[in-house]
This record gives sequence, C-alpha cells and structure tokens, in this order.
Amino acid sequence: KAGVTQTPRYLIKTRGQQVTLSCSPISGHRSVSWYQQTPGQGLQFLFEYFSETQRNKGNFPGRFSGRQFSNSRSEMNVSTLELGDSALYLCASSIGLAGGLNEQFFGPGTRLTVL
Amino acid sequence: AQSVTQLGSHVSVSEGALVLLRCNYSSSVPPYLFWYVQYPNQGLQLLLKYTSAATLVKGINGFEAEFKKSETSFHLTKPSAHMSDAAEYFCAVSSTGANNLFFGTGTRLTVIP
Repeated sequence: KAGVTQTPRYLIKTRGQQVTLSCSPISGHRSVSWYQQTPGQGLQFLFEYFSETQRNKGNFPGRFSGRQFSNSRSEMNVSTLELGDSALYLCASSIGLAGGLNEQFFGPGTRLTVL
Repeated sequence: AQSVTQLGSHVSVSEGALVLLRCNYSSSVPPYLFWYVQYPNQGLQLLLKYTSAATLVKGINGFEAEFKKSETSFHLTKPSAHMSDAAEYFCAVSSTGANNLFFGTGTRLTVIP
C-alpha cells in the first residue's frame, strides 16, 4: 500500500505570493490533517479535513486555507506569503472514523522557503 | 486543554547505553499519547502509542514507554542505543477521537560511537 505523498517536496516563493501544496492520503483514508513545522514554533496543527469538510482547525490566520476533494486528496493554500511562513508542511492521513483512535500516517513534507 | 512538555532538547548517549527521553503531558480528559521519530528530511514515523489498554507500551525498533498517570508522564526508553537511533523524537497527545495532535518541542538524540 502506498504511503502518504506530498507534492512538491521543495518550493521557493517570494513574499506576497501565494502557494498551493498537495497531499494524497493512503488509499481508503478519509481524514487529512496538515501541520506546520518550524524551528521556533515546532510542530503545530493547521487543520483537518474529513469527507471534504473541515472538521478541526488550529490557531492560524485566515491566509492559511485548505480543501479536500471527493477522492480524499487535499490541498492547502497560503496567500500573501510572509517570511515566517517558511517551514516544513506535513500532511497526515487516517481512516478518520469518529469516536475512536485514528492513527495518523505522515507524508515526507513540503519544504517551503519564502524569500 | 492539552499539551506535552519534553524535557531536554538535546540528549547524547553512548552506543549501547540506555536511552531515556522524557515527556510529561497535560490533558483534561484521558489522553492518547504517542511517540514519533523524525529522521533528517523525512516525515514522522510512529514509534508507539498509548491507548489505555496497557500502561507499558512496546513499539518498533526496541523502544517502549510507560504511562504513569500519577506523574502525568510517558517517558520513552530503549535499553541499548544504536547509531541508527540518532534522530529527533516527538511526544504528542490527542483527545479522544481527534485527528489533531499536540506535539512537544522535540528531543534530538545523538548516539556517540
């Protein structure tokens, strides 16, 4: 079974631009969560999508948004990029059923550099 | 509210020595607790998880962790360190049924030959 894939793996943008990152979950997984990893703030939860609906949201500004498609693939978008958005963005997928523990499987991440 | 605290951002051990990485949690509900490992330029890999079935949890690569409610701790141990264990380790907590993990700040493990 293929793991979680993220594209692109590396990205360089300039301040003010916008960026879209993509995540393909493990086949059969319906939940996709996004995390931001920076040296200063560590790993922080951005949001979770389940069946094309945002189910949980972290404490990030509205410049960070996401969506999920009917095939469970997910994209996240960051608009008006700032230098502080430089980070490793990790995607994790799980079965996503409510009421029980859902083990999350992580992708390799997309490293975004904002110049 | 949930949070985890990892004591020691860097830990160095000699090859063959005991590995002990500390994690304390805070949670208003019985938590699910996890340890993940991250190798350079890679995503996170699950080492083990606590789901209230047993307080001593065995994971992959010889790691284990013990859930101690009275101490609100979930420390990770391995009896004998290998060079391949050098990586960054993250403790995380999750509330029941949630898919949002709260991570600690991580501990970078160095193994000295």
